[in-house]
Amino acid sequence: TQLLEQSPQFLSIQEGENLTVYCNSSSVFSSLQWYRQEPGEGPVLLVTVVTGGEVKKLKRLTFQFGDARKDSSLHITAAQPGDTGLYLCAGATSGTYKYIFGTGTRLKVLA
Amino acid sequence: NAGVTQTPKFRILKIGQSMTLQCAQDMNHNYMYWYRQDPGMGLKLIYYSVGAGITDKGEVPNGYNVSRSTTEDFPLRLELAAPSQTSVYFCASSYPGAGDLGEQYFGPGTRLTVT
Repeated sequence: TQLLEQSPQFLSIQEGENLTVYCNSSSVFSSLQWYRQEPGEGPVLLVTVVTGGEVKKLKRLTFQFGDARKDSSLHITAAQPGDTGLYLCAGATSGTYKYIFGTGTRLKVLA
Repeated sequence: NAGVTQTPKFRILKIGQSMTLQCAQDMNHNYMYWYRQDPGMGLKLIYYSVGAGITDKGEVPNGYNVSRSTTEDFPLRLELAAPSQTSVYFCASSYPGAGDLGEQYFGPGTRLTVT
């Protein structure tokens, strides 16, 4: 059974701080996605990475896919209260038609 | 486009009752998924479909059934509801791209309580 572990599970920080969220597995993924979910809503896609070592930036968010395609990280620079939410990674292995979601990281940014 | 729609939004079931959660998408997506999300947790895949007439089990299929007779609709059936099925259920759809399964578009969810 594939398992995607995210750390930390919870994170509460002050506005302006930097943070990194990790997504780790023993499986090799053909693609990995990051989503953000706000209370009472479905997840919304932030980014998809498919190449080992790939780095993608989305404004203050930087996503990295590990060289071995077993792990990924999300770094937020100068966090803002609007970044508050549940961050989820989701990985798909080669030859499958489904994503397996990680355990989630709940982020709260205090003004 | 309405995107992915789910009905109902809320439902309370008694133990042993059955119900169908409806999901529809108007984006002509091949792939559709059903997930459940327990409080404070990530999403667990229940069933998925890669096209009309094709379905397959996910991580937690026990107690559920699905069908996919059209591209647009992917209903989830709960038979003999149990308290362990209390959760929020999300339906999603995607269109595969080059090298990945595509962005998943999620519905607003159905909050189900079994008592």
